Amino acid sequence: GAVVSQHPSWVICKSGTSVKIECRSLDFQATTMFWYRQFPKQSLMLMATSNEGSKATYEQGVEKDKFLINHASLTLSTLTVTSAHPEDSSFYICSARGEREIRYEQYFGPGTRLTVT
Amino acid sequence: SQQGEEDPQALSIQEGENATMNCSYKTSINNLQWYRQNSGRGLVHLILIRSNEREKHSGRLRVTLDTSKKSSSLLITASRAADTASYFCATVSTGANNLFFGTGTRLTVIP
Repeated sequence: GAVVSQHPSWVICKSGTSVKIECRSLDFQATTMFWYRQFPKQSLMLMATSNEGSKATYEQGVEKDKFLINHASLTLSTLTVTSAHPEDSSFYICSARGEREIRYEQYFGPGTRLTVT
Repeated sequence: SQQGEEDPQALSIQEGENATMNCSYKTSINNLQWYRQNSGRGLVHLILIRSNEREKHSGRLRVTLDTSKKSSSLLITASRAADTASYFCATVSTGANNLFFGTGTRLTVIP
């Protein structure tokens, strides 16, 4: 149980376009989802936390107008990178936590590699 | 920044040897977790240790926690080539819900 999927697993887009990444909890209802980004050979940096049906809470330094997060249902959250630039190229990982999980158990998706050309 | 630091940044050992990775953090924590990440993949949860625990075991893994020094260590015994991966510690600060990750240790186990 507790499987989280991401789609796509990788994407290449041109500079200036927008890209949407989906994060789904497959066998549980995710009341909270987290989005991280990871640069090569570096650690995961929390970008934002989203609770179902409410606006996401962004970490300091993360542009909320550039990284649009929607958590419209208990099984789906989306991250849209708007007007992507090469410096947005990164590995984006989501994680999810359900109602029954103790507050600090998160389940991670496999990640989405974004390359902006 | 709440990010923790790990050392060493990279570790290369022979199969069968033990691998020890250390993690230091900055804030008061509720718990500390260790994760594994194979290259270009997602994270796999390994073990969680609560702030009132000092040591925990899971198979070949042994984790220690010293809250007075704000540090933790992960020991992998009898390492295998398949243990090659990056290992991250992550903390949940007291009163918080979020995980903050350390800088990671890249472990290479040579067959």
